[in-house]
This record gives sequence, C-alpha cells and structure tokens, in this order.
Amino acid sequence: SQTIHQWPATLVQPVGSPLSLECTVEGTSNPNLYWYRQAAGRGLQLLFYSVGIGQISSEVPQNLSASRPQDRQFILSSKKLLLSDSSFYLCAWRRGPSGAEAFFGQGTRLTVV
Amino acid sequence: GQSLEQPSEVTAVEGAIVQINCTYQTSGFYGLSWYQQHDGGAPTFLSYNALDGLEETGRFSSFLSRSDSYGYLLLQELQMKDSASYFCAGPYNFNKFYFGSGTKLNVKP
Repeated sequence: SQTIHQWPATLVQPVGSPLSLECTVEGTSNPNLYWYRQAAGRGLQLLFYSVGIGQISSEVPQNLSASRPQDRQFILSSKKLLLSDSSFYLCAWRRGPSGAEAFFGQGTRLTVV
Repeated sequence: GQSLEQPSEVTAVEGAIVQINCTYQTSGFYGLSWYQQHDGGAPTFLSYNALDGLEETGRFSSFLSRSDSYGYLLLQELQMKDSASYFCAGPYNFNKFYFGSGTKLNVKP
C-alpha cells in the first residue's frame, strides 16, 4: 500500500532562518507531488507541483522554493523565513495526471517568530 | 490558479440532509473531487466525478454538471462527526490540482 510521510509535524523558527520541509512517498512510482499552504480557516493554496525528478512548477511567487531530488522525495525550502510564512503546509501525491484522488501527509504547522 | 467557489459556512441539525455547492472555472477542467478536513488534520478524499451525474458512497453523494460548471456534495443522515470543512477540488490541465475555498459544516444536536 502507498503511504506518505511529512515531517516535522510542528516547527517554530525565527525570522530570517532557513526552512526545509521534507515529504516522501512509499509504495508507488513516478507520482505527481504537490505542496500546499493553508491559512487558518481558509482553503488550500497550491504552491508547487512536480511531475518528475527535477521538474518543479511554481504557482505563486513567494519566499519559498521546492526541489525533487528523487522520484518519491519532495522538499520545500526557504533561505530566509518571513513572519508571513507562518502557516499549515501540506504535501500531497496523485497517481499521475489521471489520478482522481490526492493523498495528503499529516501537514506541518510552521510558526515564524 | 483556477477558481472553485463554495459557500463559506453551512449549519444543519443531526439527522438532516445538507448540500454543499461548488462552481468552477471550466478552462482546463478535468473532473471534480470532494475532500473532508477536520480541524488540525489533513484533507481526506470523499468522492470524484469525472462524468456528469450522481456518484453515491454511503451517506455521501456527489453530483457534477459540466454544462453548468457546477457540482455539489450531498450529506445524508448527518452525524456530529460530520462537522468539518469540505472542499471541492479538481485537476486542471491534468497535472495542476486546485482546491476550493472550503465550506465549514456545523452539525448541531
């Protein structure tokens, strides 16, 4: 069966510090991978998606970047965090472009102080 | 990104039926999914409509009308545990996957 791991679950970081959130998928190959951000009480904003190793598409300009160094690994990064980066970050995968269902990691609640 | 619009909040009583609507932009649209999210948790998949019509999964049903760019999620025999946020979502241009603004469902005794 397929599983998705996202860590850490919570993170408190000072302004100006770097960020690295990691997501890995097991039990499938060549998944579509996604990073979303969700403000409290709001919808999910698509940040990045990837259809293969090294292939990253960015949806919105921001202080974040993403990388996919391996088929089932997706990393969200920032060189210098801003207060406005505080949010709930979610990683997800789909079984390629025809996948009807998106499977989510547990999410990371990031607080920038 | 593409726009999927939902009402922000709906309230219903236990045992009742509630319908959550979703309208969407058609350009690049591929199909409509529904997700449930409890506070502090990750979204979980409920249903998917690739074609027009009604899909039924237990107490939950989902409907799609491509000609109207409209779909809905129908929840029957509401239970307190159904109190959550519900999102419509869909793949656009195959690889992008957007979510609606979300509807907070409050179920009262």
